Amino acid sequence: DVKVTQSSRYLVKRTGEKVFLECVQDMDHENMFWYRQDPGLGLRLIYFSYDVKMKEKGDIPEGYSVSREKKERFSLILESASTNQTSMYLCASTKNGGQGTEAFFGQGTRLTVV
Amino acid sequence: DQQVKQNSPSLSVQEGRISILNCDYTNSMFDYFLWYKKYPAEGPTFLISISSIKDKNEDGRFTVFLNKSAKHLSLHIVPSQPGDSAVYFCALRTSNTGNQFYFGTGTSLTVIP
Repeated sequence: DVKVTQSSRYLVKRTGEKVFLECVQDMDHENMFWYRQDPGLGLRLIYFSYDVKMKEKGDIPEGYSVSREKKERFSLILESASTNQTSMYLCASTKNGGQGTEAFFGQGTRLTVV
Repeated sequence: DQQVKQNSPSLSVQEGRISILNCDYTNSMFDYFLWYKKYPAEGPTFLISISSIKDKNEDGRFTVFLNKSAKHLSLHIVPSQPGDSAVYFCALRTSNTGNQFYFGTGTSLTVIP
């Protein structure tokens, strides 16, 4: 059974803390993504990576950074957490290829910044 | 600028009836279209997809329709069941952007027993 696993289901952090969200996939997928989901806004892309040590900004990268040191692991970093970063964070991965390649998602991390 | 829109934030349907969820897009370069289903506190799961060379794809109770000229995608669920109650996202991709998906804002479906 293919899997994308996020390290935490729920997190509560204080304003100004550095926060690490970890994502691991076991499908040998080349591409990994971080999204946040907010009511009425759908899924918004924060960062993505097409290969190890490569990263690309998505639509809302401000306040975030990422790290991909190994193919199976993609980390999202909140350098200094703020209350407007309270959200559901979703990691996804896809295999290279044309049509027919869907994205597989992790179970999500509900982050609350207080 | 939102390239993918789901104009109905919510939809309520009686059990056994048809649910129709809609998705509109602006970029004619999208060539692969998917629907995802999401329960609270879980990640989205893939439901059904269609490529731009087709206008209909069916999988059991789920059918996706694509109208390229209108840039419109829809998901039909028939008959609807209470377990279908979830948030549904359309997701679109172009070959030009590799494997990046563009998601709609989601429609929350409630199927009333």
